[in-house]
Amino acid sequence: GAVVSQHPSWVICKSGTSVKIECRSLDFQATTMFWYRQFPKQSLMLMATSNEGSKATYEQGVEKDKFLINHASLTLSTLTVTSAHPEDSSFYICSPKTGWRMNTEAFFGQGTRLTVV
Amino acid sequence: TQLLEQSPQFLSIQEGENLTVYCNSSSVFSSLQWYRQEPGEGPVLLVTVVTGGEVKKLKRLTFQFGDARKDSSLHITAAQPGDTGLYLCAANSGGSNYKLTFGKGTLLTVNP
Repeated sequence: GAVVSQHPSWVICKSGTSVKIECRSLDFQATTMFWYRQFPKQSLMLMATSNEGSKATYEQGVEKDKFLINHASLTLSTLTVTSAHPEDSSFYICSPKTGWRMNTEAFFGQGTRLTVV
Repeated sequence: TQLLEQSPQFLSIQEGENLTVYCNSSSVFSSLQWYRQEPGEGPVLLVTVVTGGEVKKLKRLTFQFGDARKDSSLHITAAQPGDTGLYLCAANSGGSNYKLTFGKGTLLTVNP
C-alpha cells in the first residue's frame, strides 16, 4: 500500500498563531491530495482537495483564507491553519489519491492533533 | 452530495457478543468501503464491496452489500477488545477526483 507521512502528529499552539501541517507521499507521486478534519468521536469531513500545481478546491463552509493549502510538488502537500482559534482544534488527516478507479483503496496519513489554547 | 447514514453511532458491548453496524443511503453506489480507525491514527481499509448482494468475510467480520447497492452492513462475531475502534463506511461521491464521502461512523467499545 501507499506510504503517507504526516507531520507533526500533534501540536499545541497559542490562539492567533499559524500552524503548518505537512503530508508527504513516500513511495508514489500524488497529483491530488484530500485534506480532512475530524472532531472527537465524529467522522471525517472533507475540507479541501489540492492538485499539484494548481489552486485547491474547498468544500462548502471551509474558509480558503484560513486554511491555506499548498501542493507545490508531487510528494508534498501542506495545510496551514492561519490565525488559529480554539474552535480550530481538531484532528487533521491527509489522504492522497492513489488510483483512478472509483473503488481504489484510500490511504491516510497518521493525522495531526491540533490543540489551540 | 450522496449521504451515508450509519447506525448505531455508539456501541458498547461485552467481549464475546455479536454486533451489526449498518450503512444506508438513498443513492446507488458502484462500490462501498468499510474502514476502521483507532484513536490518533488514520483510517485503514477493511473491505471494498462492489457487487449487489455480495458477502465478504474477514475472519470474524462479515460484510454485506445490499442487492440494490444502496446499503451495507458489517457484522462482527464474538467481539474482542481488539475490535474497539471507529468503523466508517465510505463511498465514492463521483466527480473526476473520486473523493470519498464517509458515514458518521460507529464508535465501538468492546469491554473485557
